[in-house]
Amino acid sequence: QKEVEQDPGPLSVPEGAIVSLNCTYSNSAFQYFMWYRQYSRKGPELLMYTYSSGNKEDGRFTAQVDKSSKYISLFIRDSQPSDSATYLCAMIGTGGFKTIFGAGTRLFVKA
Amino acid sequence: EPEVTQTPSHQVTQMGQEVILRCVPISNHLYFYWYRQILGQKVEFLVSFYNNEISEKSEIFDDQFSVERPDGSNFTLKIRSTKLEDSAMYFCASSDSFNYGYTFGSGTRLTVV
Repeated sequence: QKEVEQDPGPLSVPEGAIVSLNCTYSNSAFQYFMWYRQYSRKGPELLMYTYSSGNKEDGRFTAQVDKSSKYISLFIRDSQPSDSATYLCAMIGTGGFKTIFGAGTRLFVKA
Repeated sequence: EPEVTQTPSHQVTQMGQEVILRCVPISNHLYFYWYRQILGQKVEFLVSFYNNEISEKSEIFDDQFSVERPDGSNFTLKIRSTKLEDSAMYFCASSDSFNYGYTFGSGTRLTVV
């Protein structure tokens, strides 16, 4: 079983749609959860950070973590063509110095 | 907005040659990292560096790889004898906390021929 699983997509939605992106993980030691956005041939850019279970909202973005199910989500409201990118979930374990990334989901938002 | 700067943006090298990839992390950050991404694959951890020493490294980071922070601003990744399979995008990142998100550079595309 992979440590972090993420559907690579692609996911294509019309402008204005609500987008739901998800990851599952197997390592219960993961405590810190992040979402990064990566445009083609660029470095990942931190979007959201969450510690342990719960929700966090920032503008059009909402991150959810359910540690009991080992499941994390990112919701994008009122999606825009500029949101078209690859979204990477990422996690860090307790006492760890490395971030484990999911494979990334490619999102296309059509105008 | 502070940023992580990587040079060069693209490097082509012959198999067996040594390469040095350079990074200038954000000035007040304490934790430094190298990751790589082979085309079409996931971002993979190579090494983390804190307090002037390696804090963690992956299985990929074998004896062919080394890192240095030669002065207060630069952070380098050296590959001693490059192989074809080292061709990838190499990302440098820095953070002010080990358990928070990172700021990544734009990457160096390494092509080994």
